[in-house]
Amino acid sequence: GPKVLQIPSHQIIDMGQMVTLNCDPVSNHLYFYWYKQILGQQMEFLVNFYNGKVMEKSKLFKDQFSVERPDGSYFTLKIQPTALEDSAVYFCASSDWGEGDTQYFGPGTRLLVL
Amino acid sequence: QQKVQQSPESLIVPEGGMASLNCTFSDRNSQYFWWYRQHSGEGPKALMSIFSNGDKKEGRFTAHLNKASLYVSLHIKDSQPSDSALYFCAVTGFASALTFGSGTKVIVLP
Repeated sequence: GPKVLQIPSHQIIDMGQMVTLNCDPVSNHLYFYWYKQILGQQMEFLVNFYNGKVMEKSKLFKDQFSVERPDGSYFTLKIQPTALEDSAVYFCASSDWGEGDTQYFGPGTRLLVL
Repeated sequence: QQKVQQSPESLIVPEGGMASLNCTFSDRNSQYFWWYRQHSGEGPKALMSIFSNGDKKEGRFTAHLNKASLYVSLHIKDSQPSDSALYFCAVTGFASALTFGSGTKVIVLP
């Protein structure tokens, strides 16, 4: 089936540093999402992105977070500066159209902030 | 704010048995409901969707939706060891964001 790729699979970083998580969505998909999953807890929506703009963001999407997809390349989540509570698995997803369409998830990036 | 709750937290089923998973949601205006399956170390994968009241069957999987009761369920018939995974109920809300339940861990014993 359709595949979403995420790079890197794991990232260890010192608190206060910047990190960029990369997502290669399904080709021709137009909607992009980031979700956060803390170990043992449920998956939570962070942000979605369409036509070059953030459509909706949750309260978890702090001011230190930003997303972009320059020139149709990777869809990225940047955290600057990182905090200890940012340690989690971050999942990227994409869909062809919005509400009612299947979201395809990547394998996740496991981020550890020390 | 949408709340999605799942039960049970975990479930042990013998191979060939039936697994039944439950999910309740809080927003009566919800329209789209999903079951996702996540194997250890992987991202969640959509198993099936259900948008209308009643039952929807896909192979060994049957989803049931009752919007008036704010309830959706998933039944896995003839469970296989490969069905062992974490199962999430998810509801689409504003701007297509998914709200996930906390998951049901299913273990199928050979």
